[in-house]
Amino acid sequence: DAKTTQPTSMDCAEGRAANLPCNHSTISGNEYVYWYRQIHSQGPQYIIHGLKNNETNEMASLIITEDRKSSTLILPHATLRDTAVYYCIVRPSPLIQGAQKLVFGQGTRLTINP
Amino acid sequence: DAGVIQSPRHEVTEMGQEVTLRCKPISGHDYLFWYRQTMMRGLELLIYFNNNVPIDDSGMPEDRFSAKMPNASFSTLKIQPSEPRDSAVYFCASSLIGNEKLFFGSGTQLSVL
Repeated sequence: DAKTTQPTSMDCAEGRAANLPCNHSTISGNEYVYWYRQIHSQGPQYIIHGLKNNETNEMASLIITEDRKSSTLILPHATLRDTAVYYCIVRPSPLIQGAQKLVFGQGTRLTINP
Repeated sequence: DAGVIQSPRHEVTEMGQEVTLRCKPISGHDYLFWYRQTMMRGLELLIYFNNNVPIDDSGMPEDRFSAKMPNASFSTLKIQPSEPRDSAVYFCASSLIGNEKLFFGSGTQLSVL
């Protein structure tokens, strides 16, 4: 059951901001938005997560709309090493019993061009 | 910490043979997950454990697949007998209860000929 919708692919120029959208119109009040990425031949890597406030860490920023039906992951200064598949996932807090698993969709293949 | 360690990195076998994939989670983590990734189906959760006990194995494709976690530092995923359609990358991941992050291993690339 697909809880999120993402574009299949995107391109971005090196040094520019990469903005990756995600629609999650059926998100529940207790569900968080998570972003992972998978660089070629590696396992997925956690990027960031949020509930309703915007979040920022050393890797990226997460902007969640006020109605929480969509979000955008922002890589402020994309580099060639950011080329990867980016997954947007919604799930309840991992503190809730049975909510620890992550269900991945197809993600967005982001290509950073020199 | 060395992270989640999987072995072997690559496995090539013939149809009908038994295959065993191994995973060492990050020390202290109490959740362990097995995922399979193919081009057609993407990343699929096969099974996960909490404190060495299987919690949800609804993703295990069929009886040919089995997973065990005899102790907190070791898990195996076994396929017997293997078939060509089992060819995929198998990932192991671990996490700490209440923590938002899953940490993935580098995966095992399985090819069944």
